[in-house]
Amino acid sequence: AQSVTQLDSQVPVFEEAPVELRCNYSSSVSVYLFWYVQYPNQGLQLLLKYLSGSTLVKGINGFEAEFNKSQTSFHLRKPSVHISDTAEYFCAVTSIYNDYKLSFGAGTTVTVRA
Amino acid sequence: GAGVSQTPSNKVTEKGKYVELRCDPISGHTALYWYRQSLGQGPEFLIYFQGTGAADDSGLPNDRFFAVRPEGSVSTLKIQRTERGDSAVYLCASSPPERSTGELFFGEGSRLTVL
Repeated sequence: AQSVTQLDSQVPVFEEAPVELRCNYSSSVSVYLFWYVQYPNQGLQLLLKYLSGSTLVKGINGFEAEFNKSQTSFHLRKPSVHISDTAEYFCAVTSIYNDYKLSFGAGTTVTVRA
Repeated sequence: GAGVSQTPSNKVTEKGKYVELRCDPISGHTALYWYRQSLGQGPEFLIYFQGTGAADDSGLPNDRFFAVRPEGSVSTLKIQRTERGDSAVYLCASSPPERSTGELFFGEGSRLTVL
């Protein structure tokens, strides 16, 4: 089985400042990794994913994440946030053998202040 | 509509009652998923349909929970003899036949409150 730990439940940040959301995972088999975002009153949507290849992946809205196998981490970053980035962010993992079954972390709420 | 549609958006019921939650996936999507999100937690996998059949129902918590997708499109999650612990947001997602691994398209969820 796979599991995810998101180390910060809430992250307040000022507009145009950088942000990093931390995610660590646990698995005995190879994995795929994802970040989903949920804006207020909307459904979850995929931000970015790591399947294989380059460990630095870029997603929508200027976000990027780096897969670190030795540290079992997949931290999400954005160099300069906007008010519109206020949302809840979920890290998720799945085994490469049953890639439909996502295991999500508890989420990190990002609040961007002017 | 273009997205995954879930009804009702909110449901309040009494302990012991029967509840049905409906999911209308994106047209043409063959795979459908149900997840449950309890307060303060991330979504938790319940069941996965590929077409009409449940390919994996290992996440259903007990035999009070059942889901169907008789024509390979709309799905209904059925909960019998509801308990207060069933209170959560029930999320439905779908993905197309040529699905990009891990890219699920989620609805806004059905919030169930059991009094």
